[in-house]
Amino acid sequence: GAVVSQHPSRVICKSGTSVKIECRSLDFQATTMFWYRQFPKQSLMLMATSNEGSKATYEQGVEKDKFLINHASLTLSTLTVTSAHPEDSSFYICSARSIGGLNEQFFGPGTRLTVL
Amino acid sequence: AQTVTQSQPEMSVQEAETVTLSCTYDTSESDYYLFWYKQPPSRQMILVIRQEAYKQQNATENRFSVNFQKAAKSFSLKISDSQLGDAAMYFCAYRSTWGYSGGGADGLTFGKGTHLIIQP
Repeated sequence: GAVVSQHPSRVICKSGTSVKIECRSLDFQATTMFWYRQFPKQSLMLMATSNEGSKATYEQGVEKDKFLINHASLTLSTLTVTSAHPEDSSFYICSARSIGGLNEQFFGPGTRLTVL
Repeated sequence: AQTVTQSQPEMSVQEAETVTLSCTYDTSESDYYLFWYKQPPSRQMILVIRQEAYKQQNATENRFSVNFQKAAKSFSLKISDSQLGDAAMYFCAYRSTWGYSGGGADGLTFGKGTHLIIQP
């Protein structure tokens, strides 16, 4: 099946620093990738939709200047949390949709971000 | 905006028994997709089953089946012959129809989840 990886799997950073999370589709090309955030014991919330070669589309309430998304190729999207603060600590999950494939999103394993 | 409601924060079932997880949703669209995802302690999201709204026939995948009631906007998941490995969080999710929209229209909207416990 289609495999999506995320790197790093967990990261701890100091408040005020920036953190980059990578999402890669390993065995398929993805024109569209999605970024979700999941707080402890809560559901996944869509943050933004990342389209290859164009600007990402952010959901209401998500600061685009704080969560920078770059979808530079058909297999890679990155999420950069800029000037991270403790309230940004969360589990970030990406998913990818294949070109012309079934109507299914394939999820990465997630990245746990802890901001001290 | 679409909403997905899972009214059961936690469910418990004896191993080998059958359990049904409920999900309701609200939408003004006539065509869409519905999903059930499983999230075990590893946090990896696993697709359990998918239903296209235009199909009247309920989807089935081995021990997993759904009861899709479009008029009632209900989409319940039935797990037969429950196994210990079925223990996980289960999320119901909604997605608008396929198509490049340039926006978040085809991102998933999730319910709050149901924690399924399997009693040995």
